[in-house]
Amino acid sequence: QKEVEQNSGPLSVPEGAIASLNCTYSDRGSQSFFWYRQYSGKSPELIMFIYSNGDKEDGRFTAQLNKASQYVSLLIRDSQPSDSATYLCAAGGYQKVTFGIGTKLQVIP
Amino acid sequence: GAVVSQHPSWVICKSGTSVKIECRSLDFQATTMFWYRQFPKQSLMLMATSNEGSKATYEQGVEKDKFLINHASLTLSTLTVTSAHPEDSSFYICSAREYRGGHNEQFFGPGTRLTVL
Repeated sequence: QKEVEQNSGPLSVPEGAIASLNCTYSDRGSQSFFWYRQYSGKSPELIMFIYSNGDKEDGRFTAQLNKASQYVSLLIRDSQPSDSATYLCAAGGYQKVTFGIGTKLQVIP
Repeated sequence: GAVVSQHPSWVICKSGTSVKIECRSLDFQATTMFWYRQFPKQSLMLMATSNEGSKATYEQGVEKDKFLINHASLTLSTLTVTSAHPEDSSFYICSAREYRGGHNEQFFGPGTRLTVL
């Protein structure tokens, strides 16, 4: 069973703080890793993808990948109340992408 | 780029009727599309993988005769919920896979909220 594990949360952080979201995956053959944001009642929106070990930064978001540890993380700097959502981690190869259950993030004003 | 649309965005129907949901990739060709279902406060559940020109691959526990999938072109997949019942009420989301930069990326449609009375 190819799994992607996430803590469902909720993760609460104060406005302006760094939110750290973590994810592990079981399939060592996974080549592509994604973070999606899903607001309540809406469909997921792709916010970051990472394919190589290390860090990838895009604005306030930084994705980190460690293939040896099978670990993916997403850091959100200067967290805003509008960042409050569920963040889905996904790992995939050629065939399909496997999603985690998502971590609910609450940014407290 | 990479826009996926769904139609309708919501539908209310009577028990026993069939409902068709369309998923379109607007600016790219998608040989593979996926259909998910999401119940309130639960995670995405993959129902089936839809491949253009061939039969869909259903996940374990998903009835293929109840959830009919047709992927007749590179930009359109349809999901028909046949003889819908109240327990089929859910948020149905499609996604389309695009191969770019040596990797497959998956983009979601806005979802269709189905309510069966």
